[in-house]
Amino acid sequence: QVQLVQSGAEVEKPGASVKLSCEASGFTFTNYAFHWVRQAPGQSLEWMGWISAGDGDTRYSQKLLGRLTITTDTAATTVFMELTSLTSADTAVYYCARRARGHITYFDSWGQGTLVTVSS
Amino acid sequence: DIQMTQSPSSLSASVGDRVTITCRASQNIAKYLNWYRQKPGKAPTVLIYSASNLQSGVPPRFSGSGSGTDFTLTIANLQPEDFAIYFCQQAYSGPWTFGQGTKVEIK
Repeated sequence: QVQLVQSGAEVEKPGASVKLSCEASGFTFTNYAFHWVRQAPGQSLEWMGWISAGDGDTRYSQKLLGRLTITTDTAATTVFMELTSLTSADTAVYYCARRARGHITYFDSWGQGTLVTVSS
Repeated sequence: DIQMTQSPSSLSASVGDRVTITCRASQNIAKYLNWYRQKPGKAPTVLIYSASNLQSGVPPRFSGSGSGTDFTLTIANLQPEDFAIYFCQQAYSGPWTFGQGTKVEIK
């Protein structure tokens, strides 16, 4: 079955970086694009960026441009998200999500989420 | 960026009720609108895509309608697992943006 399994919770200090992973299984990895979406405590969802696992093409939110990098390891069917220069505003649950095939962008499978806490 | 506004922010209902949630876009997004349900402590799951298409495996008590700027999600015969937060998401243009959420609580 389709699964996205994310790495565990992280606690980081302001100014540090964090790199999360999302291991995919149950489908052909390179046929899909993967997005990262975050959710601050008690807040809505914020789209961060995406990567095409087939050709490595990426797009990032303007808000996070320069701090966010999304990569893949195709052999390991894993997507990575690295966010640098962390502040308390980056404290959130981070989700990886698979973009459904087709002409409309929606997310048909999600990881379980990874809590990132930024605190001194 | 396209702003998505949901109403109400929260509502109380009983098992078996019919519930309607509204989502309004800040510009015309045709039918590029998706709906998700997020149960407490869990990741969201898609219910409806392209305004009115039921995602595979989602019960038919969920339905969506609308186009342009105004959209609705209707839940008929509310079930215990439907007490959750619902989000709309526009898929018209990046950055993909979500509504602020509607919390459906038990009356």
